[in-house]
Formats: sequence, C-alpha cells, structure tokens
Amino acid sequence: EAGVAQSPRYKIIEKRQSVAFWCNPISGHATLYWYQQILGQGPKLLIQFQNNGVVDDSQLPKDRFSAERLKGVDSTLKIQPAKLEDSAVYLCASSLLATNEKLFFGSGTQLSVL
Amino acid sequence: DQQVKQNSPSLSVQEGRISILNCDYTNSMFDYFLWYKKYPAEGPTFLISISSIKDKNEDGRFTVFLNKSAKHLSLHIVPSQPGDSAVYFCAASFNQFYFGTGTSLTVIP
Repeated sequence: EAGVAQSPRYKIIEKRQSVAFWCNPISGHATLYWYQQILGQGPKLLIQFQNNGVVDDSQLPKDRFSAERLKGVDSTLKIQPAKLEDSAVYLCASSLLATNEKLFFGSGTQLSVL
Repeated sequence: DQQVKQNSPSLSVQEGRISILNCDYTNSMFDYFLWYKKYPAEGPTFLISISSIKDKNEDGRFTVFLNKSAKHLSLHIVPSQPGDSAVYFCAASFNQFYFGTGTSLTVIP
C-alpha cells in the first residue's frame, strides 16, 4: 500500500516570495490534514479536509496561507507571501475516517525562509 | 496553550532496559491517545494507541498506560533496542489531534 506522498522534500525561498506544497493521501482516505511543525515543537494542525470540504481551518493564517483539495483526493498548501517565521516542516497526513483514527503522515516538506 | 505536554526533551537508556516516556494533558475531553515515532527526515509513524475507556494497551514490546484521574499517559518499551532511538510524540484527540513537543530517546548499545 502506497503511503502519503508529499513534494517537494525541501524548499528554500526568500521572505515575501510564494511557495506551494503538494500532497497525495493514501488511496481511499477521506480525511486529509496539513500540519506545521516548527523546530522543537510538536505538529500543529493548520487545516483538515473531509473529502473536498474544509472541516477545520481555525488555525490557518488565512491572510497568507491557503489550501485546497479539489476532487477530494490530492491537496495543495500555499503560502503567499512567506515570512521568516514560516520556516518549518509542513506535514501532510491522512486517515480513513474523521475521528479517532490514527493518522498516516508523509515525509514532510522542510521549508526555509531566508 | 499547550494542551499536551512532554516535559522530558530527551532520555537515554541502556539496551535491554525499560524506556518510559511520559506525557501529561490538560483537557479532560480527550478520548483517544496515540504515540508516534519519528526518525530524522521522515514523517511520524504510528506506534500504539489507547481509548479513554481503557487504562492499558499492549503491542509487543510497547505498552501504553493511561491514568485519567492524573491526566497522564506513558509509553513503556521493554526491552529497549538501539533501533528504538527516535523522537516520540504523544497525541490526544478531541475533534482534532493535539501533539506534545516530543521526547528524543537514545538507546545505548
């Protein structure tokens, strides 16, 4: 069974530039999550999708971050414009159901904003 | 507000001994708890979970204990092996998952 795929693995940009991350969840998983993990901290939820609808985006900085999950399969997360404090690992995860189901994580995208 | 806390950033254990990783939480509404293991440059991988209706769950060398009155979760690894060296995150769920800051475990051969 293929796992959660993410790309790119690494990205270095300058502040005020834009960047996009891509995620393809495990086939059949209805729920998709984007997490931000800053160095030394645990993953923090940015947005949760159930199929192609948003379940929770309360912690997404909507002035600069956006995410979509067209067709309820793969997803993109965009940052525009990036700030220095956006430097982090961006993890995508998926689960079969929405609640009390273990999450399967991708390898993440390490973003450095200079 | 950190609802899930792992107060030990690191832990070193001799191979063959028991590793005990601890986690505290503040929200009594959490009803599902998990432990994840993370190697460098990889995403977290699921290790073991426990529902709030139980106080213990065992899977091979890994046992998770839940003390709801103390709002405390622990992971026991017996016996510890060098391949267990990784960062361990606990997570708790109520509507969404909340993660601790992680404990870096080093198992010394």
